Amino acid sequence: EVQLVESGGGLVQPGGSLRLSCAASGFTFSSYTMNWVRQAPGKGLEWISFISSSSSAMYYADSVKGRFTISRDNAQNSLSLQMNSLRAEDTAVYYCVRRIAASGAFDYWGQGTLVTVSS
Amino acid sequence: DIQMTQSPSSLSASVGDTVTITCRASQSIDTYLHWYQQKPGKAPKLLIYGASSLQSGVPSRFSGSGSGTAFTLSISSLQPEDFATYYCQQSFSMTPTTFGQGTKLELK
Repeated sequence: EVQLVESGGGLVQPGGSLRLSCAASGFTFSSYTMNWVRQAPGKGLEWISFISSSSSAMYYADSVKGRFTISRDNAQNSLSLQMNSLRAEDTAVYYCVRRIAASGAFDYWGQGTLVTVSS
Repeated sequence: DIQMTQSPSSLSASVGDTVTITCRASQSIDTYLHWYQQKPGKAPKLLIYGASSLQSGVPSRFSGSGSGTAFTLSISSLQPEDFATYYCQQSFSMTPTTFGQGTKLELK
């Protein structure tokens, strides 16, 4: 069974940093591209970052570019998101998501971890 | 960026009804269009990929159609568990991939 389990969310002050992690199991992690998608309270879905299966390519939404860094460890079946210079507008539930290469659809989502940026 | 616009933003229906949700892209996206269902407090769930392919395990009352810029998600014979928010997503442009604003399906 495919499982994606996020951790690392919490309350952080504006300007602070946080590192999210996602533990993957039930599939060959190194064969899939992975993404982070977030959802602000009561709002829609926003894609924020992509990483290729071998970490050769990383992409970011303009809203987080230069502040967030995505990485993965295929040996440990884990995905991470380092978030720096956090702003109030980064407050959201963050989802770790697996992407189907052929279609680009997101077929498995973690349960999400809440990040709250507030003083 | 490719803009995705869903209509309606909300919809009231009864158990047993058939409903249709529309998603329009700001430019042609071929069939790189996917539909998700999200229930409160839960992660989104993939229903339809490639505009019309049913994800494994999803009931056949869900169906999708369209290509280019106009797409529809239809749900026939609504069940109580279908009342949720639905999102479309385009992956024609991978970065950024973009979502519609969502359609909330409520029980009448």
